[in-house]
Amino acid sequence: GAVVSQHPSRVICKSGTSVKIECRSLDFQATTMFWYRQFPKQSLMLMATSNEGSKATYEQGVEKDKFLINHASLTLSTLTVTSAHPEDSSFYICSARESATYGYTFGSGTRLTVV
Amino acid sequence: AQSVAQPEDQVNVAEGNPLTVKCTYSVSGNPYLFWYVQYPNRGLQFLLKYITGDNLVKGSYGFEAEFNKSQTSFHLKKPSALVSDSALYFCAVGNQAGTALIFGKGTTLSVSS
Repeated sequence: GAVVSQHPSRVICKSGTSVKIECRSLDFQATTMFWYRQFPKQSLMLMATSNEGSKATYEQGVEKDKFLINHASLTLSTLTVTSAHPEDSSFYICSARESATYGYTFGSGTRLTVV
Repeated sequence: AQSVAQPEDQVNVAEGNPLTVKCTYSVSGNPYLFWYVQYPNRGLQFLLKYITGDNLVKGSYGFEAEFNKSQTSFHLKKPSALVSDSALYFCAVGNQAGTALIFGKGTTLSVSS
C-alpha cells in the first residue's frame, strides 16, 4: 500500500531556531500534500495544503511566515518552523493523497519540542 | 462546509463484546468517509473508507462501517473487541475534489480484559 515517510519523528530545538520536517511519498506521486497540527488528546487541525510547484494554501489563523511549506517535487513536501517558540511545540503530521484510490496516507508524525 | 461529529469522547467495552464508535457528517454533495486509528505518539493508520457502492464497508483488523445516507452516519463497528483495539479513533470526511480531510474530535476506545 501507499507509504508516507515523515522525518524526523522527534526533535528538540532551542527557542529562536528553525526546524525542518520532511514528508515523502515513497511509492506514489502526490501532487497534493497536507500538513496538520495536533495538540495532546485533540483532533487534527489542518494547517495548510501543499501543491507541487506552487504556493501552499494556508488555513485561517496559520502564520505563513512562521510555517514555511515547500513542495518542490511530486514526492516531497517540507514544513519549516521558523524562529520557533515554546508555543509551537506540538505534534505535526503530514498526509498525501493518492489520486487513483482516493486514499489519504499519513506520515508517522513529528513531535516538536521547543525549549 | 464539511463537518464531522463524533459524539462520544470515550467508549468503554469489555474484551469479546461488540463495539460501536459513532460518527455523523455534514457535507454538500457525495461524502467520502474515512476511519483512522491513532496509537500514542504515532501517525494515523487507515482502517476503511466509503466512496461509493455497498453501504457496508469492511476494513482492516476486523473493523467495518455502515454508510447511512438518511441518518448521515458512518458508525465504526467490530463484532468482538480486543484489548489491543484500545486507541484513539478518528472519523473524517473528504470530497471528490480531493481537498484535505476534515476530522472529528476523536473517540478514545478502551477495551478491558
